[in-house]
Amino acid sequence: DTEVTQTPKHLVMGMTNKKSLKCEQHMGHRAMYWYKQKAKKPPELMFVYSYEKLSINESVPSRFSPECPNSSLLNLHLHALQPEDSALYLCASSQHTGNTEAFFGQGTRLTVV
Amino acid sequence: AQSVSQHNHHVILSEAASLELGCNYSYGGTVNLFWYVQYPGQHLQLLLKYFSGDPLVKGIKGFEAEFIKSKFSFNLRKPSVQWSDTAEYFCAVNERTGTASKLTFGTGTRLQVTL
Repeated sequence: DTEVTQTPKHLVMGMTNKKSLKCEQHMGHRAMYWYKQKAKKPPELMFVYSYEKLSINESVPSRFSPECPNSSLLNLHLHALQPEDSALYLCASSQHTGNTEAFFGQGTRLTVV
Repeated sequence: AQSVSQHNHHVILSEAASLELGCNYSYGGTVNLFWYVQYPGQHLQLLLKYFSGDPLVKGIKGFEAEFIKSKFSFNLRKPSVQWSDTAEYFCAVNERTGTASKLTFGTGTRLQVTL
């Protein structure tokens, strides 16, 4: 199984809503990542988890709250988002954070209304 | 901070034409280099990677890339493109920072292959 699975595939939420994005991998990877990709732009790193601990936060606003309950799961909790937060949110995992490639999920297409 | 430049933003080629996409990075330390492809409506997929050793690396679907350390470059090549190669191509650099690593992407090149 070389898949990173993200749910939901699409999400529409209001600015006062609270929602969560989920990511799961069963490759035994110990590093997991959240990226944000706007239309016609490259993915931008948001968070890195290494061995279930947050190791990088790229100055992401607190309305985005990551959580890594175990080595296979990564969540991104969303609260009080703005319309400009609408984007494709990509999860990735890698064996560790060293010389290794990252595997990406299909992403969650988020629209904030 | 690391930066990755892809100078070709949109490339249009006829089938069977040769392809070369440029990628330059700024980091002077040890880097891992990648090319990812994103087909329309699909997730990012790894085309090829360079960690160390032979600077000419071969990937899937007939793609190859050459790491030239002196030029901070990692250009992607394919001798003969197919219509199915139409996609967005991203060069990426993995930079170690303490116990973590950061994958920084270039701005991407949209390749359109015409029949």
